[in-house]
Amino acid sequence: QVVLQQSGPGLVKPSDTLSLTCTVSGGSISNSFWAWIRQPPGKGLEWVGSIFYTGDTTDYNPSLKTRVTISLDTSRNEFSLRMTSVTAADTTVYYCARDFRELDIFDLWGQGTMVTVSS
Amino acid sequence: DIQMTQSPSTLSASVGDRVTITCRASESISRWLAWYQQKPGEVPKLLIYKASTLETGVPSRFSGTGSGTEFTLTISSLQPDDFATYYCQQYKTFGQGTKVEIK
Repeated sequence: QVVLQQSGPGLVKPSDTLSLTCTVSGGSISNSFWAWIRQPPGKGLEWVGSIFYTGDTTDYNPSLKTRVTISLDTSRNEFSLRMTSVTAADTTVYYCARDFRELDIFDLWGQGTMVTVSS
Repeated sequence: DIQMTQSPSTLSASVGDRVTITCRASESISRWLAWYQQKPGEVPKLLIYKASTLETGVPSRFSGTGSGTEFTLTISSLQPDDFATYYCQQYKTFGQGTKVEIK
């Protein structure tokens, strides 16, 4: 059974960089896209970006593209999100997920990390 | 970019009711539409993909129909466990969600 486990700080200062990691266990990170999705408290879901397991193909939400980098480490079976220059508007729950392109679904999800941007 | 619009935003219903949620795409997406259920404080759960295929383990009271630009999620007989928010999704875009609450 494939499980996605998220890690990273829950509090980030304004203008700092947010960094989260998602570790895939029970299966390989290979042969799939992997995504980050976020959800402001009480609001809907917003796709942040995706990366192919080779690491050479990434796709970002245009509204976040200038601040977001998603990377991947196959040796550690993990992928990461880096978001620069965060503001209060980036205070949301962040989820990692498997982006199963063959069926156009996000079929496996991490547990979610609530990130608060505050000084 | 394709926009996904759900209706209604909120739906009040009773246990045993038949409930229908609609999702409209701004252009044709064939049958590439998924539905998720999310309860407060929980991770979204995939219910249906390719418009009508039930994910393994999802009760048969859930069903999905549609193609092109208009899709529906139906719960044939609402159960207490079904009070939640439902999202449609196509590729990178989610609908805004429909909250099913107790009447």
